[in-house]
Amino acid sequence: KQEVTQIPAALSVPEGENLVLNCSFTDSAIYNLQWFRQDPGKGLTSLLLIQSSQREQTSGRLNASLDKSSGRSTLYIAASQPGDSATYLCAVRKTSYDKVIFGPGTSLSVIP
Amino acid sequence: DTGVSQNPRHKITKRGQNVTFRCDPISEHNRLYWYRQTLGQGPEFLTYFQNEAQLEKSRLLSDRFSAERPKGSFSTLEIQRTEQGDSAMYLCASSLGRDDLTYEQYFGPGTRLTVT
Repeated sequence: KQEVTQIPAALSVPEGENLVLNCSFTDSAIYNLQWFRQDPGKGLTSLLLIQSSQREQTSGRLNASLDKSSGRSTLYIAASQPGDSATYLCAVRKTSYDKVIFGPGTSLSVIP
Repeated sequence: DTGVSQNPRHKITKRGQNVTFRCDPISEHNRLYWYRQTLGQGPEFLTYFQNEAQLEKSRLLSDRFSAERPKGSFSTLEIQRTEQGDSAMYLCASSLGRDDLTYEQYFGPGTRLTVT
């Protein structure tokens, strides 16, 4: 059974810092991995999707990497801003049509 | 297209009452998923439709839960005889799938259920 964990559970950083969020999954046989952002009481916003054949994806100040063999992904946020404060969730999918299995999330607070 | 929409956004109900939530996916998306999220946790899968066919149900979906997608467009999730443990955010997502390929899931804003 696939399990997804995220470290740390919470993170507080001053504005302008670069930071890394970690995601681990137990079954390396995945179809893709996705990073989401969730603001309090809101739905999910997709940030980056990495297919199993890819090593990384970039969007603006965000860079996500994937190491399938070790069951790890990292989300790198450059030059953090207070508007980045949210919960960041990683999620994996076993097949193209399968459900998404989420980690518990990392709650990020960027202090002005 | 305005994305995935869910109604109502909030629902407060008394224990034992029935509730129904609606999800309208992105119009061309043939796949629709329901998830449940409790405080401090990531969303957990409940069920999934391809067009009108319900293809998978989680063990989380007890007999009190039923989901439909009658015309392959919108979907409803009904909870009968609600319990306090049903209090959660219910999220709907849709995606486009063709052959063996599928595309990322787009999530709606969720329906927050509070059972008193």
